[in-house]
Amino acid sequence: RKEVEQDPGPFNVPEGATVAFNCTYSNSASQSFFWYRQDCRKEPKLLMSVYSSGNEDGRFTAQLNRASQYISLLIRDSKLSDSATYLCVVKGANDYKLSFGAGTTVTVRA
Amino acid sequence: DVKVTQSSRYLVKRTGEKVFLECVQDMDHENMFWYRQDPGLGLRLIYFSYDVKMKEKGDIPEGYSVSREKKERFSLILESASTNQTSMYLCASRSQGYAGELFFGEGSRLTVL
Repeated sequence: RKEVEQDPGPFNVPEGATVAFNCTYSNSASQSFFWYRQDCRKEPKLLMSVYSSGNEDGRFTAQLNRASQYISLLIRDSKLSDSATYLCVVKGANDYKLSFGAGTTVTVRA
Repeated sequence: DVKVTQSSRYLVKRTGEKVFLECVQDMDHENMFWYRQDPGLGLRLIYFSYDVKMKEKGDIPEGYSVSREKKERFSLILESASTNQTSMYLCASRSQGYAGELFFGEGSRLTVL
């Protein structure tokens, strides 16, 4: 079983729509959680950290559910520029080990 | 602006050739990483270095070696390239003590024929 699993999508949504997707992780001892964004043919960049209480950054909301071992990302009022692949990243007890999901592709259409 | 620079964006090599991929960061970061990214598999850690001259194997080190002689530079070496090493290689760096934010280079797409 993969350490981090994501629905690959693609999620095709119109501008202005809300889109949400999850990521599951297998190691219950995982300590920290992140969402990265990767544009086509570009490198991944940190989008946001995910905190236990949930957190927002503008139109983006991240949630963590430790009991069910998943994190989620919700994008409100989608923009064309939100089209990207979103990578779920989980850090275990080892400070150096970050496990990446394969990514969820979101395409926002005009 | 922070910068991680990889020496080559695109390389084409033949089976059995030795391949060097170089990565330089200008942020004085202690930790550096090499990943490969393949469709459907995500990023997989090949090697990392938490300090100069220090290296640790990641999840898929077979067929690779690394060198970190200076803090800013981390090299990935394929001693004898094989076709299954055709991939996108991503270098990243991170400040010690902050686990989350990796800064990535633009990637090196290697094709082994």
